[in-house]
Amino acid sequence: NAGVTQTPKFQVLKTGQSMTLQCAQDMNHNSMYWYRQDPGMGLRLIYYSASEGTTDKGEVPNGYNVSRLNKREFSLRLESAAPSQTSVYFCASSENEKLFFGSGTQLSVL
Amino acid sequence: GESVGLHLPTLSVQEGDNSIINCAYSNSASDYFIWYKQESGKGPQFIIDIRSNMDKRQGQRVTVLLNKTVKHLSLQIAATQPGDSAVYFCAQGWGSNYQLIWGAGTKLIIKP
Repeated sequence: NAGVTQTPKFQVLKTGQSMTLQCAQDMNHNSMYWYRQDPGMGLRLIYYSASEGTTDKGEVPNGYNVSRLNKREFSLRLESAAPSQTSVYFCASSENEKLFFGSGTQLSVL
Repeated sequence: GESVGLHLPTLSVQEGDNSIINCAYSNSASDYFIWYKQESGKGPQFIIDIRSNMDKRQGQRVTVLLNKTVKHLSLQIAATQPGDSAVYFCAQGWGSNYQLIWGAGTKLIIKP
């Protein structure tokens, strides 16, 4: 049972480059989320999708865009990466209050 | 502002002893509170949750206590094992999940 799968696991970008983080879940959950986690801090919500076809901004959406491609997939795009976006990114899905997380993408922007 | 905080960033416990991880919160309007465990290199994993109309809930080797009077939440782990080594996060929420507020985490270290 794969759960939530994120790719890639590691990525290094130069300032100004773009990239897309991929996420897929196989639990048939309606809601999906993108969080970032910085050292010594809790998770901060970037964007979420309450259901297929809808997306909404979270706490820290600036510099990011998302696409809910279908019920399974929710991608996060950085159009022009900045050093402040160096972080660990987690995708999650949920049914009710329980969140299921992927294993994360460690992103460094130089 | 709204926040969820933790009293201790690091907690060291002898293997076999009980662990108590504390969490303070400021928003009294929350419907529920959740504890997650994050092992190194992995995403957070759900441990246990508690509704705001409860003051205690037990799971397998874990107990969560909620004191709404002083806005305090605790996670008790019985007979701590090496596999319990992780960072533990408390989070409070209401309505849909996108309104979760996360604490900064407490690192639990198990001494042999």
